[in-house]
Amino acid sequence: KQEVTQIPAALSVPEGENLVLNCSFTDSAIYNLQWFRQDPGKGLTSLLLIQSSQREQTSGRLNASLDKSSGRSTLYIAASQPGDSATYLCAVGADKLIFGTGTRLQVFP
Amino acid sequence: EAQVTQNPRYLITVTGKKLTVTCSQNMNHEYMSWYRQDPGLGLRQIYYSMNVEVTDKGDVPEGYKVSRKEKRNFPLILESPSPNQTSLYFCASSFLPLGTEAFFGQGTRLTVV
Repeated sequence: KQEVTQIPAALSVPEGENLVLNCSFTDSAIYNLQWFRQDPGKGLTSLLLIQSSQREQTSGRLNASLDKSSGRSTLYIAASQPGDSATYLCAVGADKLIFGTGTRLQVFP
Repeated sequence: EAQVTQNPRYLITVTGKKLTVTCSQNMNHEYMSWYRQDPGLGLRQIYYSMNVEVTDKGDVPEGYKVSRKEKRNFPLILESPSPNQTSLYFCASSFLPLGTEAFFGQGTRLTVV
């Protein structure tokens, strides 16, 4: 059974720091891996989608990597800003999306 | 604008009173699904649909029903809600085959008292 783990569960950093959020999964038979952002009281916003054949995707200050063989993905956030404060969720896609429990990020000025 | 729309956003109801949460998408997606999000448990899939009139159970289907009479709509029905169904619910959609980007609604916060 696929299990997805995110470390750390919470992170508080000063503005300007470069961050790495981690996601690990137990079964490498996946179609893709998707990173989402969730703001309090709001829905999930898709940040990056990495297909199983890809190694990384970039969007602005965000870079996500995927290593299927080791069951790991990282989300790199460059030059963090207070507006980046949110919960970040990773989800692996197979016959359905399976989510980790998220990393709650706070970036303070 | 491409979006998944859920209604209502917030709902407080009493045990046993039937309710429906609506979900509509405007992207012509074949695949739609419902998730519930609970503290410490993350998001878990309730039901999913591969296309019109094709639905199947996810990981936590007990106490829920769904229907897919039109491609764009995928309502979640609670015939007799109970307090353990108090949760944050999300509808999602994507194209098939699986592996394409999933889009989520804004969520419905349901409280059953």
